[in-house]
Amino acid sequence: KQEVTQIPAALSVPEGENLVLNCSFTDSAIYNLQWFRQDPGKGLTSLLLIQSSQREQTSGRLNASLDKSSGRSTLYIAASQPGDSATYLCAVPNSGYSTLTFGKGTMLLVSP
Amino acid sequence: DAGITQSPRHKVTETGTPVTLRCHQTENHRYMYWYRQDPGHGLRLIHYSYGVKDTDKGEVSDGYSVSRSKTEDFLLTLESATSSQTSVYFCAISDGGIGGDQPQHFGDGTRLSIL
Repeated sequence: KQEVTQIPAALSVPEGENLVLNCSFTDSAIYNLQWFRQDPGKGLTSLLLIQSSQREQTSGRLNASLDKSSGRSTLYIAASQPGDSATYLCAVPNSGYSTLTFGKGTMLLVSP
Repeated sequence: DAGITQSPRHKVTETGTPVTLRCHQTENHRYMYWYRQDPGHGLRLIHYSYGVKDTDKGEVSDGYSVSRSKTEDFLLTLESATSSQTSVYFCAISDGGIGGDQPQHFGDGTRLSIL
């Protein structure tokens, strides 16, 4: 069964810092990996989806990388802002490709 | 934002009562999903649909049923609610399957409390 781990569970940084969130998964036979953002009391917002054939995806100040062989993905946030404060989750398909397995998330707080 | 509306947004009910949650989409996406989110467990899939009248079970389907009679609507029913079903329920939609190149888009959730 696919297991997804996100480290750290929580992160607090001052505004302007560059930061990296980590996601690891146990079954490397995946077709894609998604990163989501969740604000308190809200649903998940899709940030980036990386296909297994890709190494990186970029959207604005966000850059996500995928290394299938090592079972890892990172989400890089450049020049962090208070508005980036949220919980960030990664998700990968399970071996049957009928469900996504989610990590428990990294709660990010960016202070002004 | 993807056009997904969940109703109701909040509900409090008693053990043993039936409860139906509705997810309505305006995107004409083929796939629809129901998840529950609980502290310590994260997001878990309850049921999903891959077309009208086509549904399948997810990881935590016991005690839940679903129906999809129209592309735009996906209903989640708790036949006889139990306190263990107190949770936040999210609907998601996608234009492609789990292993494809289309992301899932989520609604804002329904907070359900069963007393």
